[in-house]
Amino acid sequence: AQSVSQHNHHVILSEAASLELGCNYSYGGTVNLFWYVQYPGQHLQLLLKYFSGDPLVKGIKGFEAEFIKSKFSFNLRKPSVQWSDTAEYFCAVIRDSSYKLIFGSGTRLLVRP
Amino acid sequence: DAEITQSPRHKITETGRQVTLACHQTWNHNNMFWYRQDLGHGLRLIHYSYGVQDTNKGEVSDGYSVSRSNTEDLPLTLESAASSQTSVYFCASSETGRGETQYFGPGTRLLVL
Repeated sequence: AQSVSQHNHHVILSEAASLELGCNYSYGGTVNLFWYVQYPGQHLQLLLKYFSGDPLVKGIKGFEAEFIKSKFSFNLRKPSVQWSDTAEYFCAVIRDSSYKLIFGSGTRLLVRP
Repeated sequence: DAEITQSPRHKITETGRQVTLACHQTWNHNNMFWYRQDLGHGLRLIHYSYGVQDTNKGEVSDGYSVSRSNTEDLPLTLESAASSQTSVYFCASSETGRGETQYFGPGTRLLVL
């Protein structure tokens, strides 16, 4: 069965530190990849997505992610985090022609001011 | 502006009662989805619909049902609420097409006593 793995369940960083959150999926076919963010008390919002083309995807608020097909990975990065980035981050996958999102278990990021 | 709303935002009920959670979107999207969010599990798909009169079971559909009588609404019914259904429920919608973004509602917190 297809699954999405987020290896870090909790991450604590100081402001200005660099961030990388891991995401791996287990499916060999065509995939669309997403990162969603959930700020405290809010609904999920799209950070960025990969559909096709350039494997380095830039999203909102300075986030980017790189699709590495050979590693089945789609890691999220930000060079310098801010306190306002404190949130839960979810990686998600849509495979082939399905419209169904399959989510990872999420990573809770706490940024200390 | 187009949006997706859920009601109620908070609900407390007793085991064995029938509960219906509403989801309404004004995006005119064909696809609608219901997820539940539980700590350590991320979001898991309950039911989904690709259009009027179309409904499909997701990963965790036992004890839940949906109906799609129009484009805008996909109510989720818990036939006989159980304590294991205490969770946060999110509705989402998307356009038809590969890589289309799902837009999420604000969520409903359900407590089953």
